[in-house]
Amino acid sequence: RKEVEQDPGPFNVPEGATVAFNCTYSNSASQSFFWYRQDCRKEPKLLMSVYSSGNEDGRFTAQLNRASQYISLLIRDSKLSDSATYLCVVIHYNQGGKLIFGQGTELSVKP
Amino acid sequence: DARVTQTPRHKVTEMGQEVTMRCQPILGHNTVFWYRQTMMQGLELLAYFRNRAPLDDSGMPKDRFSAEMPDATLATLKIQPSEPRDSAVYFCASGERTTEAFFGQGTRLTVV
Repeated sequence: RKEVEQDPGPFNVPEGATVAFNCTYSNSASQSFFWYRQDCRKEPKLLMSVYSSGNEDGRFTAQLNRASQYISLLIRDSKLSDSATYLCVVIHYNQGGKLIFGQGTELSVKP
Repeated sequence: DARVTQTPRHKVTEMGQEVTMRCQPILGHNTVFWYRQTMMQGLELLAYFRNRAPLDDSGMPKDRFSAEMPDATLATLKIQPSEPRDSAVYFCASGERTTEAFFGQGTRLTVV
């Protein structure tokens, strides 16, 4: 079993739709969490951090549930430019800050 | 605008040749990661360093891969000898222990 698991998709949605991605992690010692975005043939870039209290950045909302060991990302009013692969990431401080990536969820927003 | 710099951006080589990829992390970052990405496997962590010391290289095939940080401004990943199955995009990323990592643009390696 992979340490960080995501539904690979693809998710095909129309413009304006709301879409949600989930990610589960197996190591309860995981201590920091992020969502990255990766466009085709480019490097991954930080989208947002994920806090236990939940956090929002414009149309994007991230949630963390430590008890159930999952992370979610909600995108509202999706745009064509949101089409990308979304990667869930955990950091293990007790392993020297090791960053573990999920395999990514592909999103395609159609006109 | 601080960024991670990787060279070369593209490399085509013949099977059996040595390949060296270089990475200049963001100044002040004390953690450096090497990842490999393929369509089938996604992003795999090969090795990472803290303050230039290797912390974990368990993701790396030891017989042909080696990673080093000769100084704080340079990390290298070497493959010798290279094989067609090593064809992938190799990313370097840097950060600090408790924060996110910033990625370079990657080296796209093709071994023929």
